[in-house]
Amino acid sequence: GESVGLHLPTLSVQEGDNSIINCAYSNSASDYFIWYKQESGKGPQFIIDIRSNMDKRQGQRVTVLLNKTVKHLSLQIAATQPGDSAVYFCAENKARTGTASKLTFGTGTRLQVTL
Amino acid sequence: DVKVTQSSRYLVKRTGEKVFLECVQDMDHENMFWYRQDPGLGLRLIYFSYDVKMKEKGDIPEGYSVSREKKERFSLILESASTNQTSMYLCASSFRDLGQYFGPGTRLTVT
Repeated sequence: GESVGLHLPTLSVQEGDNSIINCAYSNSASDYFIWYKQESGKGPQFIIDIRSNMDKRQGQRVTVLLNKTVKHLSLQIAATQPGDSAVYFCAENKARTGTASKLTFGTGTRLQVTL
Repeated sequence: DVKVTQSSRYLVKRTGEKVFLECVQDMDHENMFWYRQDPGLGLRLIYFSYDVKMKEKGDIPEGYSVSREKKERFSLILESASTNQTSMYLCASSFRDLGQYFGPGTRLTVT
């Protein structure tokens, strides 16, 4: 398959365990954050978002935590499955022009699910 | 579900050729974006558009231009392709300032 990044940090998790993927963001003025999943050879897939007025948001099997004090974002995946194997990266809004958010993307973490 | 489609999955062009990459979204999103993705560099914004006929430069616009004549379609143009433009090109769209939804990508090779 195609690689979306060389020498990405890798998190190896056993099937059924919980996964925690971390992201440090750069701009204390950022007020909107998104987690994406990218499988080999595919475009990034929107997973979950959170605004800065929240500390936590839950989706289906995923939870995003935001710590504005230390500019840290995490993605928790419950009961990790083989289909969760992918590169995960966070994005923060850098600026707005009109209604468009310009996002800054992290380089990503590769999640490997072992059986 | 949001659907963003790109005209080609794989494209091979020669140095100096003019290249058109097309992107269409079916969710009436006002914002559309073009990125390139390279190993170790992540996603970098080339151009974006927040309305028909409106465009803004992103972080790496040199060597590229864009066209948005209709709300659903955003084209990326490489005026004279060069080998350093070999990359994965990703189109995205968004509603207002919400999350961007991406297409499947076009892997462009310039020889």
